[in-house]
Amino acid sequence: KAGVTQTPRYLIKTRGQQVTLSCSPISGHRSVSWYQQTPGQGLQFLFEYFSETQRNKGNFPGRFSGRQFSNSRSEMNVSTLELGDSALYLCASSVTGRSSGNTIYFGEGSWLTVV
Amino acid sequence: DQQVKQNSPSLSVQEGRISILNCDYTNSMFDYFLWYKKYPAEGPTFLISISSIKDKNEDGRFTVFLNKSAKHLSLHIVPSQPGDSAVYFCAASLTGTASKLTFGTGTRLQVTL
Repeated sequence: KAGVTQTPRYLIKTRGQQVTLSCSPISGHRSVSWYQQTPGQGLQFLFEYFSETQRNKGNFPGRFSGRQFSNSRSEMNVSTLELGDSALYLCASSVTGRSSGNTIYFGEGSWLTVV
Repeated sequence: DQQVKQNSPSLSVQEGRISILNCDYTNSMFDYFLWYKKYPAEGPTFLISISSIKDKNEDGRFTVFLNKSAKHLSLHIVPSQPGDSAVYFCAASLTGTASKLTFGTGTRLQVTL
């Protein structure tokens, strides 16, 4: 079956702009989470959505937001972009995301460069 | 506060030999641990996982060992193959928040011919 799909794969934005990234989870997966990977901070959890509700949140400023639709597809938005937001943004999905044993599968990621 | 640590940034192993990647954690509440393999500019690929109620889990060439008292886990790859060359991340999660993974900093494995 199809994996986690993220679009766009690469994008360049200017400081101060906003960006929206999209994620389609594996069919049947209802939990979608987002991660940021940077050389300095590694892989960090942004937030998780389940049944259109944010269920968990990491330590990121309010400029980072997301949402989930009824078909489990998710978007994340970063407003007022800063140079430090340049990163690989990864989407992951799992069946429920709650109990151990739920394997979490990652998409290929969206490379964001802020200039 | 780095709750999951991979103290070896890199490891070089000859093809056919065993690769051992280590991971330490500080939060005793973590109850599920996973290993992912990652190539540059790609998403992590799930390899193997282990619940805190077990001390070993095997899947083909991959075995994960968990020592709860030492808060230490390791991934053994036997035999190592050139295609195993990648960055390996260990990750941990808490009960009820399986999607909120805390990742280590990664170990770059190079398997040489």
